[in-house]
Amino acid sequence: SQQGEEDPQALSIQEGENATMNCSYKTSINNLQWYRQNSGRGLVHLILIRSNEREKHSGRLRVTLDTSKKSSSLLITASRAADTASYFCATDPTGGGNKLTFGTGTQLKVEL
Amino acid sequence: DAGITQSPRHKVTETGTPVTLRCHQTENHRYMYWYRQDPGHGLRLIHYSYGVKDTDKGEVSDGYSVSRSKTEDFLLTLESATSSQTSVYFCAIQPSGSFGNEQFFGPGTRLTVL
Repeated sequence: SQQGEEDPQALSIQEGENATMNCSYKTSINNLQWYRQNSGRGLVHLILIRSNEREKHSGRLRVTLDTSKKSSSLLITASRAADTASYFCATDPTGGGNKLTFGTGTQLKVEL
Repeated sequence: DAGITQSPRHKVTETGTPVTLRCHQTENHRYMYWYRQDPGHGLRLIHYSYGVKDTDKGEVSDGYSVSRSKTEDFLLTLESATSSQTSVYFCAIQPSGSFGNEQFFGPGTRLTVL
């Protein structure tokens, strides 16, 4: 399997704190994406970073990519209770066609 | 959920029975996908389609078949359901011309095989 892995599997923080989750993958990629999944719902695309980019921002989200280490991190700043969800990274492998490979996810709980 | 519907949303069936799940999209996107989601495994690709009657296998295709006779519908069939196919099934589409293969997901179908 070419699945990526997220770390940690679960994370619990207080509202207002920052949350960092990491993703490691195995193959060369065109891009890496992060998705959020609220309980009982489908995944929602958050942000995409291309293989030639090192950092990208979108609102309270900051994503980094280190292709030499085959790893990425997602930082959510000033977290809110509404950020409670599972977060998945997905890689678009080089030569993989129009298919994504998803990681196993990080469950984030933001407490009031 | 980006104009994607899945039916049924919940189903309980018995081992050995056939089951068909339907994914319907309203925007004529070329690429459609079926995933299953299980604890500890994330999402795993079952089958995908790149056009009407054009389909291919994913990572976990054994025991599943698909059909796409119309652009808007992508059907997933379990010919003879087994308990190991108890899972949540998600359909996804990739908008035509999307920059980086971003996908948009349906609400999911929770299938229980007894």
